[in-house]
Amino acid sequence: QQQVKQSPQSLIVQKGGISIINCAYENTAFDYFPWYQQFPGKGPALLIAIRPDVSEKKEGRFTISFNKSAKQFSLHIMDSQPGDSATYFCAASIGGGSGYSTLTFGKGTMLLVSP
Amino acid sequence: EAQVTQNPRYLITVTGKKLTVTCSQNMNHEYMSWYRQDPGLGLRQIYYSMNVEVTDKGDVPEGYKVSRKEKRNFPLILESPSPNQTSLYFCASRAVDSSGNTIYFGEGSWLTVV
Repeated sequence: QQQVKQSPQSLIVQKGGISIINCAYENTAFDYFPWYQQFPGKGPALLIAIRPDVSEKKEGRFTISFNKSAKQFSLHIMDSQPGDSATYFCAASIGGGSGYSTLTFGKGTMLLVSP
Repeated sequence: EAQVTQNPRYLITVTGKKLTVTCSQNMNHEYMSWYRQDPGLGLRQIYYSMNVEVTDKGDVPEGYKVSRKEKRNFPLILESPSPNQTSLYFCASRAVDSSGNTIYFGEGSWLTVV
């Protein structure tokens, strides 16, 4: 049973547009929600993360929106650029993401930003 | 520079020929793990290790073995590879204290089993 469902599987956005990737989780014990970005030929790297005590976190053009009651969180990329073209993974874990917790990943979204 | 180093990066092997993918990290992290990435399936954890001599199965452990004899190394062993183990493999590590919620991934190992 997949614990973190991610959509869409792929996304094409024009340069300057807003990219939106959604994730939904089932386990209410999750308390740490990171997003990882993966460029072709590279390993995933932490992009931004949120804990459920806040509804939004912004870092530059990247924003996580979190809806605890709906058990959903999303990544918004404002003013999307061709350099943002990558695969994005949402994830969730228990225990703040540290300690001995394991991350559960979504299946990933391939984002292509057209010039 | 903080690094997780995997080798080999690319490998084509034949069914049944034992192989080992090495992984080493230079951050003194306690937690290490292996993932495989397949199209449409995302990242699935194979095995993980909380510390030296402590390992446990992830979501897809069948056909794999690991060992953790030293803190920095966490090799992935395929005793008898099969074509369904053709995949992109990632080693990862992180600390287990309160600063350790960032997972650091290696650059991946492309494995083809024919």
